[in-house]
Amino acid sequence: GAVVSQHPSRVICKSGTSVKIECRSLDFQATTMFWYRQFPKKSLMLMATSNEGSKATYEQGVEKDKFLINHASLTLSTLTVTSAHPEDSSFYICSARARRTSGSEQYFGPGTRLTVT
Amino acid sequence: KQEVTQIPAALSVPEGENLVLNCSFTDSAIYNLQWFRQDPGKGLTSLLLIQSSQREQTSGRLNASLDKSSGRSTLYIAASQPGDSATYLCAVIPTQGGSEKLVFGKGMKLTVNP
Repeated sequence: GAVVSQHPSRVICKSGTSVKIECRSLDFQATTMFWYRQFPKKSLMLMATSNEGSKATYEQGVEKDKFLINHASLTLSTLTVTSAHPEDSSFYICSARARRTSGSEQYFGPGTRLTVT
Repeated sequence: KQEVTQIPAALSVPEGENLVLNCSFTDSAIYNLQWFRQDPGKGLTSLLLIQSSQREQTSGRLNASLDKSSGRSTLYIAASQPGDSATYLCAVIPTQGGSEKLVFGKGMKLTVNP
């Protein structure tokens, strides 16, 4: 149990276009989902926290108009990179927290490799 | 501000060795601590979760301990195998802040040589 999927796993897009990444909790309800970005040989950088039915909370330095997050249901959150530029190329990973008490485990998706040409 | 440190950044060992991976955190006020494994180009796999009230957790050849007062956790890997080669990340959820954001260390790249 506790499987999180991401789609697509890899995407290549041209500069200036927008890309949508989906994060789904397959066998549990996720009240909270988190979006991370990982640069090569670096740890994960939290971008935003997404709660079902409400606006996402962005970390300092993350442009909310560039990285649009929607958490429309208890099993789906989407991250849209708008007007992508080469510097947005990165590995994007989501995680989901099950609908339990505080301190519960987070489950991570397999990641999405975005390359902007 | 909570900071998580993992030293060393990389470790290379022969197959069969028992390993200890270290993780330290600056603020003992945490909800829990989690150990993850990340293979190249992949997402994170949760290995063990230790709640703040617990001292250790075990799963197969893995054992993780938590000493909140000293701000330390260790991940013990018994009889290491080449398949254990990966990057191991330690993360905590601080109790302060009201959210459940994981604070990650930079990870330790483990290579187990056959």
